[in-house]
Amino acid sequence: EPEVTQTPSHQVTQMGQEVILRCVPISNHLYFYWYRQILGQKVEFLVSFYNNEISEKSEIFDDQFSVERPDGSNFTLKIRSTKLEDSAMYFCASSIDRNNQPQHFGDGTRLSIL
Amino acid sequence: AQKITQTQPGMFVQEKEAVTLDCTYDTSDPSYGLFWYKQPSSGEMIFLIYQGSYDQQNATEGRYSLNFQKARKSANLVISASQLGDSAMYFCAMREGESGFNKFYFGSGTKLNVKP
Repeated sequence: EPEVTQTPSHQVTQMGQEVILRCVPISNHLYFYWYRQILGQKVEFLVSFYNNEISEKSEIFDDQFSVERPDGSNFTLKIRSTKLEDSAMYFCASSIDRNNQPQHFGDGTRLSIL
Repeated sequence: AQKITQTQPGMFVQEKEAVTLDCTYDTSDPSYGLFWYKQPSSGEMIFLIYQGSYDQQNATEGRYSLNFQKARKSANLVISASQLGDSAMYFCAMREGESGFNKFYFGSGTKLNVKP
């Protein structure tokens, strides 16, 4: 069964450094998402992406964050200057449409900011 | 106000027994979808079951069923015949509206422990 893949599984970065989290959504899916889960807390929406542009973003997704689909398969989340509070599990998800279909999640990237 | 409320931070159930995990939601949109996800200790998010706001019948998927009570705005997950492998965090999520781009609101989760 096709799945969403995320790399790396764990990223350790010094505060202030840039980090790029990578995702390969399911190939025939059209809608892409990033979510964040701080340890022990609920999953929070960051951004949705469709037709090569951001369709919606949360208040968490400030100017430090950006997303890109650089080619036909990858979907990336960039954090320009990381802060300690960016430490979390970051999930990529994709869906075939925006209505009744579930979002399929990757296994997540655990980002640790030192 | 919270869009999704899960009031049970932790639940215990005996193996082979049924368990109900509660979820209430808040929306004024007539069109919405409700989803349950399982998150094992390894961290991945696994889709379990979906219920649409216009669906007349409660959703079922194998041992999972959704007790959808629209007037009470509740969408409880029922797991029948619990197995040890069901021990995990369970998240209820909602997508609201047809014009939005399927942003999910998640609850805070319920940690289920299945006892042998």
